[in-house]
Amino acid sequence: NAGVTQTPKFRILKIGQSMTLQCAQDMNHNYMYWYRQDPGMGLKLIYYSVGAGITDKGEVPNGYNVSRSTTEDFPLRLELAAPSQTSVYFCASSPGTVNNEQFFGPGTRLTVL
Amino acid sequence: EDKVVQSPLSLVVHEGDTVTLNCSYEVTNFRSLLWYKQEKKAPTFLFMLTSSGIEKKSGRLSSILDKKELFSILNITATQTGDSAIYLCAVGTNYGGSQGNLIFGKGTKLSVKP
Repeated sequence: NAGVTQTPKFRILKIGQSMTLQCAQDMNHNYMYWYRQDPGMGLKLIYYSVGAGITDKGEVPNGYNVSRSTTEDFPLRLELAAPSQTSVYFCASSPGTVNNEQFFGPGTRLTVL
Repeated sequence: EDKVVQSPLSLVVHEGDTVTLNCSYEVTNFRSLLWYKQEKKAPTFLFMLTSSGIEKKSGRLSSILDKKELFSILNITATQTGDSAIYLCAVGTNYGGSQGNLIFGKGTKLSVKP
């Protein structure tokens, strides 16, 4: 199993550009999450999904959108990039049973200039 | 508002020292407390704790949860330079009857000097 994969690893955007961060998992997990991590801060939840077709906002959803058309994929969309979105983005998945353990992807480092 | 507070935020020790990292929390609908180790990339899972007073152990690392006082500690004995990392504490909650989200602390940055 590849686990949780994310692409790209790095990206530089100009203000106002848009892009999609890709996330896929091959563990058949129902639950998937997007976090951002700023320097010196913990992980903050952007959006999450409890299954295909179901998404919900986390703590910091503004400026982002998600979709969950399949169990495997959970892309994160930035429509109008802003410098405040410069961060490291992690995707995670979990089985969605009594176990809260989340498995993380390698992260995408995004810089908005 | 749910919150998870870790202390200290950073710590520098020498190889062979023993360290204790702290995590306190205030959340509604507590389900579990998890510890992760983050080196250069993604957090990797260390422990999940759900019951008070039961120590989880893995090699030189151990952790225990106190649900009455709402905190957990992570101990690392005989530290090595490879233990240098950010240690994240997260609390899992119940959310509408099904599994909920993790609320993360800011992490403790541990540096182990040779």
